[in-house]
Amino acid sequence: NAGVTQTPKFQVLKTGQSMTLQCAQDMNHEYMSWYRQDPGMGLRLIHYSVGAGITDQGEVPNGYNVSRSTTEDFPLRLLSAAPSQTSVYFCASTNGGTGAEQYFGPGTRLTVT
Amino acid sequence: KQEVTQIPAALSVPEGENLVLNCSFTDSAIYNLQWFRQDPGKGLTSLLLIQSSQREQTSGRLNASLDKSSGRSTLYIAASQPGDSATYLCAVDSGGSNYKLTFGKGTLLTVNP
Repeated sequence: NAGVTQTPKFQVLKTGQSMTLQCAQDMNHEYMSWYRQDPGMGLRLIHYSVGAGITDQGEVPNGYNVSRSTTEDFPLRLLSAAPSQTSVYFCASTNGGTGAEQYFGPGTRLTVT
Repeated sequence: KQEVTQIPAALSVPEGENLVLNCSFTDSAIYNLQWFRQDPGKGLTSLLLIQSSQREQTSGRLNASLDKSSGRSTLYIAASQPGDSATYLCAVDSGGSNYKLTFGKGTLLTVNP
C-alpha cells in the first residue's frame, strides 16, 4: 500500500493563478480531509468528504474548492491564489469511527508570490 | 468551539530522560484523542489513539493518558533518544468519525546526545 499520496511536493504560484493539489489513497477509506499548516496556527481543516460525491466545509474553506468523484481521489482546487494561501497542505484519510486512525500524506508546500 | 492547547511549545532534554508532553482541550465531549509525530518537512505519523472510553494507551516507550472530564491528555516518553526529536501534535475528534480533527500547535522536542 502506498497509503496517502500527494502531488506536487512543492509549488510556486503567482497571485491570481489557479491550480489543483492532488491527493489519492489506496486504503479504500470513506473519509478524506484537507488541512493546512501554518506557523503558529497548527493544522486547520479546509474541506472534508464522507464518501464519493459528498463534501463539506471545514474551518477555513474560503478560496478552495473540492470534489470527490471516486473513493480514491480528493483534489483541492485553489481558484485564484493569494499570498495568504502560502502554506503546507496535508491530505488525510480514515475508515471513520471512533477507533480509526487518520493517515496523512507527505504534504504539498505551496508558495504564492 | 473546541480549542486544543499544548504545553510546552518547545522542550529540550538530555538523552535518557523521561519526559511528559501535555495537551488540554476546552470541550470534554470528544470521541477520541490522537497523538502524532511530525519530522521536519514531513507528514504526520500517528503514534497513539485513545478512545473516549479509555484511560490510556501504550506503544513501546510511549504512554498516552486521557482524562476527559478535566480536558487533559499527557504523552509520556520513557528513556528518550535523539531519534525522538520531532514535533508532537495532539488532536481531538469531536465529531465521532475521526475525519474532522482539531489540532494543538504542537510541542517541539529536542533530545540531546
